Amino acid sequence: DSGVTQTPKHLITATGQRVTLRCSPRSGDLSVYWYQQSLDQGLQFLIQYYNGEERAKGNILERFSAQQFPDLHSELNLSSLELGDSALYFCASGGGDIQYFGAGTRLSVL
Amino acid sequence: AQSVSQHNHHVILSEAASLELGCNYSYGGTVNLFWYVQYPGQHLQLLLKYFSGDPLVKGIKGFEAEFIKSKFSFNLRKPSVQWSDTAEYFCAVNARGTYKYIFGTGTRLKVLA
Repeated sequence: DSGVTQTPKHLITATGQRVTLRCSPRSGDLSVYWYQQSLDQGLQFLIQYYNGEERAKGNILERFSAQQFPDLHSELNLSSLELGDSALYFCASGGGDIQYFGAGTRLSVL
Repeated sequence: AQSVSQHNHHVILSEAASLELGCNYSYGGTVNLFWYVQYPGQHLQLLLKYFSGDPLVKGIKGFEAEFIKSKFSFNLRKPSVQWSDTAEYFCAVNARGTYKYIFGTGTRLKVLA
């Protein structure tokens, strides 16, 4: 167990819908990272937050947004969902240069 | 732009065979390097990391990796694999002083008992 909790584990929704993925970091970790893992593109870095502030942005679509709350949990919001958004979404947390990954949320867009 | 290449997408080995998974990165500055493993149905776990010092780093479960700066490589090795090493292996690079991590596309290793 990495100490990083992601909910829900599975999410099935339809195209055009909006979903929210939640991540609780390890106790004491200030950084939260979001990744998308798909079969054809591997593990893609989306965005990082540190203590509530956005710190780095990767290949995150404009339809996607994230935030980190004062209690350090983070949410990734995905809107206007498309079939191609079906993937495993991982959250990771870290206090230094090492990241600890959650079990992921598997999103299926039908 | 930074990138990470893992040349082998699928590797099949018999138990006790030796393993070497390639990882090359492109970035001109100083980097932190990582190998992560994802066992079937589980989350990614850190196998080993290199920040500085001895370029040969040892990780968990008998894995090691060697950083060769001149070749921009960080290959993962294990002298004798076990069936339980069946997993997907990811190389990752972080350009020091930045907060972005670039992962390779992964190598799926299947070890036959």
